[in-house]
Amino acid sequence: GESVGLHLPTLSVQEGDNSIINCAYSNSASDYFIWYKQESGKGPQFIIDIRSNMDKRQGQRVTVLLNKTVKHLSLQIAATQPGDSAVYFCAETVNQTGANNLFFGTGTRLTVIP
Amino acid sequence: AAGVIQSPRHLIKEKRETATLKCYPIPRHDTVYWYQQGPGQDPQFLISFYEKMQSDKGSIPDRFSAQQFSDYHSELNMSSLELGDSALYFCASGSSLAGGLRSSYNEQFFGPGTRLTVL
Repeated sequence: GESVGLHLPTLSVQEGDNSIINCAYSNSASDYFIWYKQESGKGPQFIIDIRSNMDKRQGQRVTVLLNKTVKHLSLQIAATQPGDSAVYFCAETVNQTGANNLFFGTGTRLTVIP
Repeated sequence: AAGVIQSPRHLIKEKRETATLKCYPIPRHDTVYWYQQGPGQDPQFLISFYEKMQSDKGSIPDRFSAQQFSDYHSELNMSSLELGDSALYFCASGSSLAGGLRSSYNEQFFGPGTRLTVL
């Protein structure tokens, strides 16, 4: 299953399928991008990040792709599990000394159907 | 492992009242961030502190103020509360010194949030 993030805030996938969540960011100067997972009533939880000098980064079952040309970010989740059901946010930040404030995109709610 | 602590977890106030939210960052973290998340919204950056000094301000109303104390805990003070202030308020902390080396990215660890309801 695939979402376009800002325009389709919900995504439903069957358990075991791969999920793709998309995000468009706005600031050309942003040089770090992070995906967060937020479960109901909880704070955002870091999933994976990527620097602007990379176009792909892989973690355990997750892959983030960055296309700076079109300012697009995607999160791929392999073999989606019921525990992956949550709202997923992309966030962008500009590298600076000290605090790196995050600017979040519109979340996508992922629902995994058992 | 210690996480970010926020108190209270839930708060109910009337319009025009004041509220104070507290955040206790992870030990040895030198940056604190505050975010506001309205119902069904993405988190919005309010304000940040680095080494007890205000670093940046985002979409924080003039009715709100915040500070970071000598023990690195932070408080968000909200006055003349409005119905629209009802939201989840998250605090996050981070360390600009990751693994003993200067890190160019300061990963943020979020607290559980304070749910503020203004009636």
